Amino acid sequence: EVKVVESGGGLVQPGGSLRLSCAASGFNVIRNHMTWVRQAPGKGLEWVSVINSDGSTHYGDSVKGRFTISRDTFKSTVDLQMSGLRSEDTARYYCARVPDTYYYYGMDVWGQGTTVTVAS
Amino acid sequence: EVVLTQSPGTLSLSPGERATLSCRASQSVNSKYLVWYQQKPGQAPSVVIYGASNRAAGIPDRFSGSGSGTDFTLTISRLEPEDFAVYYCQQSGSSPGYTFGQGTKLEIK
Repeated sequence: EVKVVESGGGLVQPGGSLRLSCAASGFNVIRNHMTWVRQAPGKGLEWVSVINSDGSTHYGDSVKGRFTISRDTFKSTVDLQMSGLRSEDTARYYCARVPDTYYYYGMDVWGQGTTVTVAS
Repeated sequence: EVVLTQSPGTLSLSPGERATLSCRASQSVNSKYLVWYQQKPGQAPSVVIYGASNRAAGIPDRFSGSGSGTDFTLTISRLEPEDFAVYYCQQSGSSPGYTFGQGTKLEIK
């Protein structure tokens, strides 16, 4: 079964750090683009970061310089290291796969998400 | 950076009616990289339409997508109770990242 499972969310104080992890199964993370998307309570979807199949990384403007995405091909995980957290980072964080194919099929595999709450 | 604006914000319709959702881009988007997602409460999003007009696997043919350039449309020909959800358009390709529209909530009238 092809799936991703997120973990690592929790309550953190403003300015703190947290590391999210996305465990992939049924496919190889190195052959796909892996993204993080977040959704603040009652709000829409916001793309956060991507690590492409070639290892290049990109970030949304709101998290650039504070978040770092990485992958471990042996463990088949994709991590999001978050630092300098702000209240506006409070959201449910989803990991999603984008197949590295000629045709763009969108984010075709999503986890159920992990919740990050930034509050004192 | 491409901005996607969806309209209306909320659409109130009855089962059996036709729904037309709009997604407008601030600059031209390659339709190959335009995707529509459906999100139901408490669930992750799922792909409905990719490449602006192609139904994802398992999506019924009452769903259709169209458009090019800066204007894209998701149409649901005859609404079923399970279609009421929030729909997002999303694009890739114009920059190294991804952009979502703000969403259209399709609610039962």
